[in-house]
This record gives sequence, structure tokens and C-alpha cells, in this order.
Amino acid sequence: KAGVTQTPRYLIKTRGQQVTLSCSPISGHRSVSWYQQTPGQGLQFLFEYFSETQRNKGNFPGRFSGRQFSNSRSEMNVSTLELGDSALYLCASSLDNLGPAAYEQYFGPGTRLTVT
Amino acid sequence: KNQVEQSPQSLIILEGKNCTLQCNYTVSPFSNLRWYKQDTGRGPVSLTIMTFSENTKSNGRYTATLDADTKQSSLHITASQLSDSASYICVVKSGGFKTIFGAGTRLFVKA
Repeated sequence: KAGVTQTPRYLIKTRGQQVTLSCSPISGHRSVSWYQQTPGQGLQFLFEYFSETQRNKGNFPGRFSGRQFSNSRSEMNVSTLELGDSALYLCASSLDNLGPAAYEQYFGPGTRLTVT
Repeated sequence: KNQVEQSPQSLIILEGKNCTLQCNYTVSPFSNLRWYKQDTGRGPVSLTIMTFSENTKSNGRYTATLDADTKQSSLHITASQLSDSASYICVVKSGGFKTIFGAGTRLFVKA
């Protein structure tokens, strides 16, 4: 079974530009979550999508947005990039993130975004 | 306020030695606690998941414990190997479906 894939793996953008990152979850997984990881802040939750609906959202500005398609693939978009947006963006998928059962969450390799 | 605190921030041990990493949380209501291992430049990989009723779980040389009363968890690594050098992240999920990450413990295993 293929794991979570993220594209691109590396990206360099200029301040003010926008960027779209893509995540393909494990086949059959319907929950996709996005995280930002920086050396200073650690892993921070961006948002979670389930069945094309945003189910949960972290404390990030509106410049960060996402969506999920009917095949569970997800994209996140960052508009008007700032230097502080430089980070590793991780996507994780699971069968479901709700309920009493603690469904395993699988992470992709991440997209390393550098804003100059 | 929901928080997850890990200690120590970093740790250096010799190959073959054991070590224990700590995680204290104030998340309520509690749903589950996970330990992840993250190699540099890679995504985290799950080591263990523990729910309220579980107080110990092993995965090879990794053993996690959970004390839901004191809201503490530990990750014990036995007979460390060079490949154990990584960041170890404690993640707690609340009953309100919020996910709170610890800052991680950076482990360095030296030959």
C-alpha cells in the first residue's frame, strides 16, 4: 500500500507570492490533516479535512487555506507569502480522526517551503 | 489551557544505554496520546498510541507508559542504537478533537 505522498518536496518562493501544496492520502483514508513545522515553534496544526469538509482549524491567518477533493486528495494554499512562512509542511492521513477508536495517523515526507 | 510539555529538550546518550523521555499534559478531556519519532527532514512516524484505559504499550525497544491520573506519559528506549537519533514528539488528542503537540525531545545517540 502506497504511503502518503506530498508534492512538491521542495519549493522556493518570493515574498508576496502564493503557493499550493498537494497531498495524496493513503488509499481508503478520508481524513487529511495539515501541519506546519518550524525549528522555533515545532509542529503546529493548520486544519483537518474529512469528506471534503473542513472539520477542524488551527490558529493560522486566513492566508492559509485548504480544500479536499472527492478522492480525498487535499491541497493547501498560502497567499501573500511572508518570510516566516518558511517551514516544513506536513500532511497526515487517517481512516478517521474522530470517535473513541484512536485511528493511526500516517505522515507524508513533507514539503520544504523556503520564502526569500 | 491545553498544553503538552516534554522533557528533556535534548538528550545525549551512548549507544547501548537506555533512556526515558517524559511528557506531561493538561489536555482535557483526554482522548489518546501518541508518541512519534521524527528523523531529520522526514515526516513523523508513529511509535505508540494509547487510550485512557491503557497504561503501557511496547513497540520493539520502545515502551510507552501512561498515567491518566497524573497526566504523565513516558517513552523508554532500551539498548539504544545510532538510528534512534531523532526527535521524539508526544501528541495528545482531546475529546474535543483538538490535537496538541509537544515541542519534542531531541535525542542524540553517540557511538
